[in-house]
Amino acid sequence: EPEVTQTPSHQVTQMGQEVILRCVPISNHLYFYWYRQILGQKVEFLVSFYNNEISEKSEIFDDQFSVERPDGSNFTLKIRSTKLEDSAMYFCASMRQADLSYTFGSGTRLTVV
Amino acid sequence: LAKTTQPISMDSYEGQEVNITCSHNNIATNDYITWYQQFPSQGPRFIIQGYKTKVTNEVASLFIPADRKSSTLSLPRVSLSDTAVYYCLVGVASGGSYIPTFGRGTSLIVHP
Repeated sequence: EPEVTQTPSHQVTQMGQEVILRCVPISNHLYFYWYRQILGQKVEFLVSFYNNEISEKSEIFDDQFSVERPDGSNFTLKIRSTKLEDSAMYFCASMRQADLSYTFGSGTRLTVV
Repeated sequence: LAKTTQPISMDSYEGQEVNITCSHNNIATNDYITWYQQFPSQGPRFIIQGYKTKVTNEVASLFIPADRKSSTLSLPRVSLSDTAVYYCLVGVASGGSYIPTFGRGTSLIVHP
């Protein structure tokens, strides 16, 4: 079964540093998403991406965040100047149009210290 | 976007059938109903999707009454590995504008 692959699985960074979280969506999917889940809380939408541009973003996705599809296969989330409250699981997802089903990656656990 | 309401938690025992009901009173005509499962420290996993009546796959069944204002996810003969959070989502994708919105979900605990 096709998978969404995320790397790294766990990242520890110091407050104020920049991090890049990487995702490889399923190859024939066209819509990509980033979500985050703070420990014990809901899965929250950050941003959706289609046709090489952002299609929707939440109020969480401010200027600190950016997304990119640099090479047609990878999909990245960059967080500039990380804060303690950015510590969370970050999930990438891609959508299959045939049945509108979303496949999520196994996530990157980001810890900001 | 249709709001959904699910029980916060449920308990069951191995071998039992579990039914989790989700209310979505303001579901729109074009909305589909989708259920996801999430294990701790993992991403949500698609279980089943339906529009009306009954849908069954190798994992679960989804029952949707004629008015579509609720839906019931049925897990036959649960095992300990079915302990997870189950989310009911309602909406439709159109040009990528549908954003799956997760609520608190139902935390299912299966006991030996």
